Amino acid sequence: QVQLVQSGAEVKKPGASVKVSCKASGYTFTSYDVNWVRQATGQGLEWMGWMNPNSGNTGYAQKFQGRVSMTRNTSINTAYMELSSLRSEDTAVYYCARYIAAAGKVDYWGQGALVTVSS
Amino acid sequence: DIQMTQSPSTLSASVGDRVTITCRASQSISNWLAWYQQKPGKAPKLLIYKASSLESGVPSRFSGSGSGTEFTLTISSLQPDDFATYYCQQYNGYSYTFGQGTKVEIK
Repeated sequence: QVQLVQSGAEVKKPGASVKVSCKASGYTFTSYDVNWVRQATGQGLEWMGWMNPNSGNTGYAQKFQGRVSMTRNTSINTAYMELSSLRSEDTAVYYCARYIAAAGKVDYWGQGALVTVSS
Repeated sequence: DIQMTQSPSTLSASVGDRVTITCRASQSISNWLAWYQQKPGKAPKLLIYKASSLESGVPSRFSGSGSGTEFTLTISSLQPDDFATYYCQQYNGYSYTFGQGTKVEIK
C-alpha cells in the first residue's frame, strides 16, 4: 500500500533552517510528483511547491521563493523540503503528498511534521 | 498566482441537509480543481478531482461541478461524519493554490 512517512517534530530557533524528509513506499517513487503543503495551528492549508522525483525539477510558491528547496534521493525513495531563515510565522505542520499530474489530484499524504520556531 | 476564494467561511447545518460550498478562481483553470475534507489533527482527504470526478471510496453524496472560474462542492444529505473543514485547490499551470476553507458545523 502507498505510504508517505515523514520525519519527526523539530524545534528551531529563528534564523535557522529545517529539513523535513518524506519516505515513499508502495509505488514507484519517480513516477509521481511530490507536493509540500503546510498548515499553521488553526489556519488553512498553504501550498508550498512541487518536485518531480524523476527529473528533480521543482516549482515553488512565490511566497517561498529563495527560502525553500525541495530535493530527493531516489536511491532511498525519499523527498526533502528545506526551509531557511525561519521565523515564528513558519511554525506549522508540514505535509508531503503524492500528486498525480494527469488526474490533477493529490491522493496520498504524509502524516505531517510539526516544525516549531521559537527562541 | 491564481487566487481561490471559497464561500462561505463557516456553514451551520443539520444532519440530512443539502450543503453547497463555492470556490471561485481569479482566472480560468478549466477543470483543474480538487476538493478535500480535513478533520482536526488529520491530513486532508481527497473527495473530488478534476472538478467533478469522485475519488474511489468516497460516498456518492459528495459531488462536484463547475469549470472555468466557478466551482461547487455539494453534499446531498449531510451525515454526522461530514462535519469538517473543506478546501478547494486549483492545479493550473505550475503553481497550485488552496481556497481558505469552509468549516461545516453542527447547527
